[in-house]
Amino acid sequence: DVKVTQSSRYLVKRTGEKVFLECVQDMDHENMFWYRQDPGLGLRLIYFSYDVKMKEKGDIPEGYSVSREKKERFSLILESASTNQTSMYLCASSPTRWGRTDTQYFGPGTRLTVL
Amino acid sequence: DAKTTQPNSMESNEEEPVHLPCNHSTISGTDYIHWYRQLPSQGPEYVIHGLTSNVNNRMASLAIAEDRKSSTLILHRATLRDAAVYYCILRDDNDMRFGAGTRLTVKP
Repeated sequence: DVKVTQSSRYLVKRTGEKVFLECVQDMDHENMFWYRQDPGLGLRLIYFSYDVKMKEKGDIPEGYSVSREKKERFSLILESASTNQTSMYLCASSPTRWGRTDTQYFGPGTRLTVL
Repeated sequence: DAKTTQPNSMESNEEEPVHLPCNHSTISGTDYIHWYRQLPSQGPEYVIHGLTSNVNNRMASLAIAEDRKSSTLILHRATLRDAAVYYCILRDDNDMRFGAGTRLTVKP
């Protein structure tokens, strides 16, 4: 089975802190994604990566950056956390290039609270 | 973007079939129809996808209307573990956009 793991299930940070969310997949997938999920807004794509050291902006990249130094690991960085970044963060991976029949595999999520 | 419309919520009794509808009247000829579900406190998981023909797998069946403007996810015998939010998504090469989904409640 594909496994996507996220470094923390719950995280509490203070405004202005730098926050790192880590995601690791164990199936040699090319693509990795970061979403946030908020009530009433559904899942929204923050960034994605289709190769090591490559990154593409999603729908809501402002306030976030990402890093992909190794194929299996994709990190989401909040340079200076703000209260409006309190959310559920979901990482996903998929085996092929971005495509119509591609399946995404999600991690369990990290619930981040910024005080 | 082609959009999908799903009921906000549905209820089912345990061990009965469940038909979850999705309307996608603006679907393009090359969009695939995907279904994901999200169990409580978990990330979404893939359920099934199709283009034109009906599809079956171990989790569910997908019935696609002949004009492709709607589809139905069928759970043949709902269990309590099937209680989740079910998302119908149209996939092109660039997008996978989740809507609000249908919250399925399964009653014992």
